[in-house]
Amino acid sequence: DVKVTQSSRYLVKRTGEKVFLECVQDMDHENMFWYRQDPGLGLRLIYFSYDVKMKEKGDIPEGYSVSREKKERFSLILESASTNQTSMYLCASSPGAANYGYTFGSGTRLTVV
Amino acid sequence: AQTVTQSQPEMSVQEAETVTLSCTYDTSESDYYLFWYKQPPSRQMILVIRQEAYKQQNATENRFSVNFQKAAKSFSLKISDSQLGDAAMYFCAYRSSLFGSGNTGKLIFGQGTTLQVKP
Repeated sequence: DVKVTQSSRYLVKRTGEKVFLECVQDMDHENMFWYRQDPGLGLRLIYFSYDVKMKEKGDIPEGYSVSREKKERFSLILESASTNQTSMYLCASSPGAANYGYTFGSGTRLTVV
Repeated sequence: AQTVTQSQPEMSVQEAETVTLSCTYDTSESDYYLFWYKQPPSRQMILVIRQEAYKQQNATENRFSVNFQKAAKSFSLKISDSQLGDAAMYFCAYRSSLFGSGNTGKLIFGQGTTLQVKP
């Protein structure tokens, strides 16, 4: 069964901490994505990557960075966590062709205190 | 830029009845894909159904079907014979068929509709 695995289901961090959210997929997908989900706002794209070492900003990249050193792994980094980054974070992957949907991870609920 | 709008934050349906969730989108493109995703309380997003814009025939997956109106830019989801397990948040999403920097495979989501199924 194909999978996208996010390393943590729940995470609590302090303001100012550097936070790493890890995502691994086992489907050899080219594209990987990080979204945040907030009530009433749906899913908003933070960053995405369409190849190893390639990254592109999404709609809300401020305060975040990403790393993709290997095809299967896509990390989201909060350089200095703030309370407004408390949210649900969803990782997803997809093949290169546009007619495919995404395969999602089960999400990380991050609380910054 | 493309946008997706779900105007119903919450809907409810009686078990075994039919419910329709609405979605509209805005785009200047002629070729694209539309999706409905389900997110149950477990948080795992599940693909429900997919529609190619170049196909006039509405997609169907068992109890789930869509009403795709390309000219009206409308893409509603109909759930027939609703079951308790259908209770979830449903997201409508758009994906361009064009490739290129900044546009590679991004899914653009609506705000979501929470569906409650009453026994």
